[in-house]
Amino acid sequence: GAVVSQHPSWVICKSGTSVKIECRSLDFQATTMFWYRQFPKQSLMLMATSNEGSKATYEQGVEKDKFLINHASLTLSTLTVTSAHPEDSSFYICSVRGDGNQPQHFGDGTRLSIL
Amino acid sequence: GDSVTQMEGPVTLSEEAFLTINCTYTATGYPSLFWYVQYPGEGLQLLLKATKADDKGSNKGFEATYRKETTSFHLEKGSVQVSDSAVYFCALTLNTGGFKTIFGAGTRLFVKA
Repeated sequence: GAVVSQHPSWVICKSGTSVKIECRSLDFQATTMFWYRQFPKQSLMLMATSNEGSKATYEQGVEKDKFLINHASLTLSTLTVTSAHPEDSSFYICSVRGDGNQPQHFGDGTRLSIL
Repeated sequence: GDSVTQMEGPVTLSEEAFLTINCTYTATGYPSLFWYVQYPGEGLQLLLKATKADDKGSNKGFEATYRKETTSFHLEKGSVQVSDSAVYFCALTLNTGGFKTIFGAGTRLFVKA
């Protein structure tokens, strides 16, 4: 069964709208979750590491005020794309990892289309 | 710096052909190595993993061996099926510094009936 649930799977909205994406860990408590962005036919780009109860760690070049991350519990992290514009259209994927160097478990992704 | 390099795709094969997707890495220390698969419109799924040198990961007929001497983790399958068509990502996880994961660019595989 699924280890990670990501919602919604597809969003289409107007420019200027803020969009929230949820990532839930179903099988275990996750102190750390990851948010990735994937452009068509490209690899995953790590945007930020979401830490339960503290501020997220953003990768270089990722605007923290644009991509708000909240990790309020051990099973839920949210990514909010604020005032989204067409260039924010992309496939966003979250993941959860067990302790140490265990493999990551990925959500099914959210396809965001900004008109 | 740490990196993963995969062979460029797309790779197009006929059903029952032999598959090899090359993957080499550069990393400090001794990372864990993974292959993930992504089907159209979906997230990534773990295909197989190896955590130390000479380990062989295998799953669903796919296998890859952690070769420290050549810093490689090539993915192989003896007989591909149409349902294997997907994008395959090689990845490493560093065993230090927050266990960051680095992905290769991905290799798209098309299998024709």
